[in-house]
Amino acid sequence: EIVLTQSPGTLSLSPGERATLTCRASQSVSRSFLAWYQQKPGQAPRLLIYGASSRATGIPDRFSGSGSGTDFTLTISRLEPEDFAVYYCQQYGGSLFTFGPGTKVDIK
Amino acid sequence: EVQLVQSGAEVKKPGESLKISCKGSGYTFSNYWIGWVRQMPGKGLEWMGIIYPRDSDTRYSPSFQGQVTISADKSISTAYLQWSSLKASDTAMYYCARRDIVVVSGTIVGDAFHIWGHGTMVTVSS
Repeated sequence: EIVLTQSPGTLSLSPGERATLTCRASQSVSRSFLAWYQQKPGQAPRLLIYGASSRATGIPDRFSGSGSGTDFTLTISRLEPEDFAVYYCQQYGGSLFTFGPGTKVDIK
Repeated sequence: EVQLVQSGAEVKKPGESLKISCKGSGYTFSNYWIGWVRQMPGKGLEWMGIIYPRDSDTRYSPSFQGQVTISADKSISTAYLQWSSLKASDTAMYYCARRDIVVVSGTIVGDAFHIWGHGTMVTVSS
């Protein structure tokens, strides 16, 4: 089973700043099977990025994904007030999905 | 509008059984895998398993194999998650989500959960 780790655990930033979130896999993950989700308190998760770098429907272009192999990155170019949330990466491999533990982006 | 509507919150006692549901609408339910995800209070997301309603092909996370049963009734566009004997540690929010496999020119370029239900809170307490 592929294990995902995310860093940092918490990222404290101000609106307008750039956020860089990292997801590392215990073994290589195909780009096609790496996704990122956003979750706000009291809400269901929302898909942001699939295929490592493709934005889901309705996702603003300040969100971007990159990476390959075992290292993937979610970048928020300029944080908006509504972007303060928890972000999870997810992978699919060997008929199993796994989620990372999440990165909380909070207001500095 | 494509949506997944989940059944309402449940409060149960340890040892009781439970079946929660997830009804799809706005698309051909049989053609998409439906996954289940657990979120314990204050914790992260855990993938539990997935079912393909067309033929009921089901896969489980090793962590949840034997602990829950996932099923679907394609005739009513509904997937289910059930327990035969609940424990206090089953207290959590449970989400269903639709798996979308994006194919371009015969190549899979994306495989993720694009549509999510609102969640069903299950509380198990004596």
